This record gives sequence, C-alpha cells and structure tokens, in this order.
Amino acid sequence: AQRVTQPEKLLSVFKGAPVELKCNYSYSGSPELFWYVQYSRQRLQLLLRHISRESIKGFTADLNKGETSFHLKKPFAQEEDSAMYYCALSGGSGNQFYFGTGTSLTVIP
Amino acid sequence: NAGVTQTPKFQVLKTGQSMTLQCAQDMNHNSMYWYRQDPGMGLRLIYYSASEGTTDKGEVPNGYNVSRLNKREFSLRLESAAPSQTSVYFCASIGNSPLHFGNGTRLTVT
Repeated sequence: AQRVTQPEKLLSVFKGAPVELKCNYSYSGSPELFWYVQYSRQRLQLLLRHISRESIKGFTADLNKGETSFHLKKPFAQEEDSAMYYCALSGGSGNQFYFGTGTSLTVIP
Repeated sequence: NAGVTQTPKFQVLKTGQSMTLQCAQDMNHNSMYWYRQDPGMGLRLIYYSASEGTTDKGEVPNGYNVSRLNKREFSLRLESAAPSQTSVYFCASIGNSPLHFGNGTRLTVT
C-alpha cells in the first residue's frame, strides 16, 4: 500500500516565487515524517523532520494529521534550491522507512 | 568519521554476472538498509537489517541477497544480474533518527 504520495514529479518556479512541494501519507499510528533532499549526483540528506519543527534553508513543513499531509514550503525560492525532494515516513518495527516517488524542483533564474 | 561508505561508486555488468555491493558505517548504528533509486519510482527498499544478525525483505527483494556481516557492514549481492537491475543503489543506516545515506553505487547491467 502506498504510504507516501508526492503528486508532482516535476515542479518549476521562478526565483523569488513561493514554492510548495506536496506530500500526503497514509499510516495507522503515529508516524514520523521527514523531508530529504538530493542535489545533483549527491547523496540524500535530511532537510527537516516534523518533530523538530525547525526551518532549514528557509524551508518549513507542518504536519497536518487531519489532512495527513506534510507539505514542504518556502516563501522565496532560490536557484540553489533546485534538487530532488523526497518525503519520507518512519514507523513500525525495525525502523522502517517509506519514501515517496520524489519531486524534482527547478528554480528558474 | 566517514558516515556511510559504499563501494564501488560505478559498476557495469553483463547479464548473468554476479557482484556484491559493499556498505559500511562507522556510527555504531543498529539498523541498515539497501534502497534502489529509479526515475519516477523514487526510493524503494530492497532489504533491511534491524540489528546485527537479522535481515528482512523490503518492497523489491527479488534478485538480491544481503548479508549483515557485523554491526558495521551490510552487503548486497546480485547473483545473476539482469538489465532490470540497472539502477542507483543507496545504503543507509540509522541509530535513533534520521537515516544517513551513502553516496550511492551506479550500476548498469547490459
């Protein structure tokens, strides 16, 4: 069963415009939600996690349990934000992680 | 402190050949994972190891085997490579949270 859904495979925005990358999840219980980022040909790295409620590189994400969403937002996109973004969910035994299919963000200068 | 180290970085195999992808972590993490990354399909879990001595299948285990050699090392073996296994493979580990990834192995099967 699809646990993490990222509906947009590709997203393009102009520099300085707001950006929102959507993530919806389905999971019974209390999952932990993450956003990972992968810059061109680099390893995946953690961008942020819902329990820390912090802003990293200007990005924020709020967990909405009612809508089962964890959308990633940034008010003013920068060119260096161009990357692949993955929403991920952790839950169950054995520290299982489930990833969405990813959204490729391009910020147009 | 190198984190998660994967070898090799690149590999080209012919159909039917075998190989082992190596992964080691120096963070004393209990859990380790192997993912494959394919365009439009995101990251899919192949196998994981919750702790030393245990391994479990993920979403796409067919055609692969794993060995948790010790707490540090978790290898992925392709016994008879197929073109469908052309992908980028990532190893990851976790202590408490979150996942730490290696740099990936780009495998091409011709």
